Amino acid sequence: DIQLTQSPSFLSASVGDRVTITCRASQGISSYLAWFQQKPGKAPKLLIYAASTLQSGVPSRFSGSGSGTEFTLTISSLQPEDFATYYCQHLNSYPLTFGGGTKVEI
Amino acid sequence: EVQLVESGGGSVQPGGSLRLSCAASGVTFSDHYMDWVRQAPGKGLEWVGRIRNKANSYTTEYAASVKGRFTISRDDSKNSLYLQMNSLKTEDTAVYYCARGIAVAGTVWVDPWGQGTLVTVSS
Repeated sequence: DIQLTQSPSFLSASVGDRVTITCRASQGISSYLAWFQQKPGKAPKLLIYAASTLQSGVPSRFSGSGSGTEFTLTISSLQPEDFATYYCQHLNSYPLTFGGGTKVEI
Repeated sequence: EVQLVESGGGSVQPGGSLRLSCAASGVTFSDHYMDWVRQAPGKGLEWVGRIRNKANSYTTEYAASVKGRFTISRDDSKNSLYLQMNSLKTEDTAVYYCARGIAVAGTVWVDPWGQGTLVTVSS
């Protein structure tokens, strides 16, 4: 099974900060990686798929990059509504797996 | 607008069974793969399984943790997805989400998700 390791697991930041979250895969997954945002008590929301493609309706301050085994999610200027937990998920092969999550707090 | 609404959650004793449902609207349900994902209280996301569409023979995939105990099915005539959970364990306690699959860029991504239904396995 492919393991995804996210870092950091916790991140303290301020409004306006540039934030970068990393997701490392235990083996190559091409660009079959998605990023989700989850707020407390809510369902996850797809932000980015195919490693770098912004889902419709997602603000352009979110961006993704990487391929193979190392991927990043960047928020260029953190907004109050961005404080949430972020997960990566690979869709390269079964079983699909998620990273452990990164909680972004003030 | 695509809407997914899960139901059927509740409390059950270890060893018991439960069937979850997911009702879809605003989408041509029969075209899409569908996933189940769960989240234990205070924990991260865990993929449970997937069912493909009719064009792909409704075949299924499961996580190792539920294989042989859980069964995913669907009724396209009712725009509904199901998760039959048998031999439940305390570690199956979680919010269960259904999610629609979108075939783009060589694979199937999941969006949107339902609001989730809570399953509690406890004696």
